[in-house]
Amino acid sequence: SYVLTQPPSVSVAPGKTARITCGGNNIGSKSVHWYQQKPGQAPVLVIYYDSDRPSGIPERFSGSNSGNTATLTISRVEAGDEADYYCQVWDSSSDQEVFGGGTKLTVL
Amino acid sequence: EVQLVESGGGLVKPGGSLRLSCAASGFTFSNAWMSWVRQAPGKGLEWVGRIKSKTDGGTTDYAAPVKGRFTISRDDSKNTLYLQMNSLKTEDTAVYYCRASGYGPFDYWGQGTLVTVSS
Repeated sequence: SYVLTQPPSVSVAPGKTARITCGGNNIGSKSVHWYQQKPGQAPVLVIYYDSDRPSGIPERFSGSNSGNTATLTISRVEAGDEADYYCQVWDSSSDQEVFGGGTKLTVL
Repeated sequence: EVQLVESGGGLVKPGGSLRLSCAASGFTFSNAWMSWVRQAPGKGLEWVGRIKSKTDGGTTDYAAPVKGRFTISRDDSKNTLYLQMNSLKTEDTAVYYCRASGYGPFDYWGQGTLVTVSS
């Protein structure tokens, strides 16, 4: 089955840029979605189709996808961005949706 | 406003059964692809399965750990999604989220319902 690999944690100072990676075999050929989940809350879509932002998501959130790595980039990080972030794809070879293991973003 | 409200969670013994429901409002339920995603305590998100809209065939897909034990169904007349869970195992303990998805950014989640499988 298809596997997505994320770093367990990323730390960044306020105002700096956070980059969260999502590795998968030829992930560049798939559409990647990113979710933000804060404690006790349901996940929220922050990036879809690799790099598109839903309405209401700040422009500070952006995404890219190429080769074997997709990346969620959060610019000018704020304390409110502290959360778990998950990447997700649809694996057509197995007809299953796959989530990465999640990355805990800590704002120092 | 889109709302998804799960119900039916609770404590069940290993080997037992439980049926979860998800009541939807604020969008055209019959057009949405609906899925269940679970999250074990302190763990990450795990896709359980999905059901397509009837327009797109109404077919279902399941994650390997639940295939053959769980069944997803929908009643478009009641705007409700179901998850029938049989032969439950301790490792099925999780918060179960209902999710509505469609084209592009159409992606909404309920607040989840806790299922605890324990003797």
